[in-house]
Amino acid sequence: DQQVKQNSPSLSVQEGRISILNCDYTNSMFDYFLWYKKYPAEGPTFLISISSIKDKNEDGRFTVFLNKSAKHLSLHIVPSQPGDSAVYFCAAPMNRDDKIIFGKGTRLHILP
Amino acid sequence: ETGVTQSPTHLIKTRGQQVTLRCSSQSGHNTVSWYQQALGQGPQFIFQYYREEENGRGNFPPRFSGLQFPNYSSELNVNALELDDSALYLCASSLHLGAGNTGELFFGEGSRLTVL
Repeated sequence: DQQVKQNSPSLSVQEGRISILNCDYTNSMFDYFLWYKKYPAEGPTFLISISSIKDKNEDGRFTVFLNKSAKHLSLHIVPSQPGDSAVYFCAAPMNRDDKIIFGKGTRLHILP
Repeated sequence: ETGVTQSPTHLIKTRGQQVTLRCSSQSGHNTVSWYQQALGQGPQFIFQYYREEENGRGNFPPRFSGLQFPNYSSELNVNALELDDSALYLCASSLHLGAGNTGELFFGEGSRLTVL
C-alpha cells in the first residue's frame, strides 16, 4: 500500500517555463512533507519541505503547495533551468522518530 | 564538515552469499537510516539506528541486519542474498527527530549491489 504516490514517472518542460511535479498521499496523519532531488550516481538531496499546518512554502525558484483536503501536494519550479533535470521524490515521515516514506519519483527533463 | 560516505560503491555477489555495506555519518549526526532503492522505485526504508540501537524497521526480513558504532558509523549486513536484493543501498544520516528537527536526511552516494 503506497502512502505517498507520484503518478507521473516523467515530465518534460521547456527551459524557462514552469515545472509542476505532483504528489498524492493517503495518510492524513503526516506532519510534514519533503521533496528530494536526485542526480544519477548521487544520493538524494533535500530540496524543500512543508509543514501540514501550512499551505505554501517558498524557497527561491521552488515553491511547494499543500492541499490537505485533497491530500495533494505539488512542487513548482520557476523558471526551470537545465540543472533542474533530475529525479524528484516526494516524501513524508511516518512518525516523529521513524521511517520516511518516499514516492517512486518523477524524472524531470528540462528541454533547451 | 564531512558528508555521508559509503563503501563499497559497487559490488557483485552471487545468490546465498553475505554482504556488508558500510556508512560513515555526517559530522554531528547521531542517527543513521538505511534505504533500498530498486530500479524505477523510490527509496524503501530498511531500518534506522540511534544510540547504537535499532530504532524502527521497515518491511524487510531478518536476514537484513545492522549495527551502529559509538562514532555513529553504521553497517548493513544482508545474509543469504537473493536476486531481488539487487539494488542501490542508500545510507542517510540525520539528527534524531526528538531533538526538534524536521527529519531532513543527508544521503550518501549509495552502494550498488548486484546479485547474480
